[in-house]
Amino acid sequence: GENVGLHLPTLSVQEGDNSIINCAYSNSASDYFIWYKQESGKGPQFIIDIRSNMDKRQGQRVTVLLNKTVKHLSLQIAATQPGDSAVYFCAENQGGNTPLVFGKGTRLSVIA
Amino acid sequence: GAVVSQHPSRVICKSGTSVKIECRSLDFQATTMFWYRQFPKQSLMLMATSNEGSKATYEQGVEKDKFLINHASLTLSTLTVTSAHPEDSSFYICSAPLRKLNTGELFFGEGSRLTVL
Repeated sequence: GENVGLHLPTLSVQEGDNSIINCAYSNSASDYFIWYKQESGKGPQFIIDIRSNMDKRQGQRVTVLLNKTVKHLSLQIAATQPGDSAVYFCAENQGGNTPLVFGKGTRLSVIA
Repeated sequence: GAVVSQHPSRVICKSGTSVKIECRSLDFQATTMFWYRQFPKQSLMLMATSNEGSKATYEQGVEKDKFLINHASLTLSTLTVTSAHPEDSSFYICSAPLRKLNTGELFFGEGSRLTVL
């Protein structure tokens, strides 16, 4: 059902600082973990993913950390820029023909 | 180019009317399609899974008689919001269980924003 009454938490960071966005996932059987960025009025945009057999993966300016022991996922953005302002969602998936299950999301606001 | 195409991208309708949203798989056959709904300032919630040639599977709390899903061919899944009301205003997006090479990323349609007056 819908998340009635829930609102997105907000993270405000200064331009140039590093951002860390956290997510708790629920399914220990999930094999893929993905971070999406969503700007206003648009669909989700893939940022980076990590498989369950890894604990860290780096991309361009972004790093995803996975802690399966506590079912925790984080996204680190280095040198945050105004263009990074958006809502960020984590998602998990068991692979195969299974759907993505999205987390609640965090709004990142970059202060120039 | 797009792998999953969704139409329309925006639709405004009067309360009580029905609206159909199409989701097409391009260059591949999709026996399954996932439909999500996103209310303002909230996350994407899985509504249902459409299955080609059989009934859709609905998530708990989603009214199957209100959100009619049809997957009549391997390239087309449709979501019809029947007797739409203002509370149905939302962003609807489909996704195919097709993963981009060597990633966990699934293909999404462009999304359809429904506004019910």
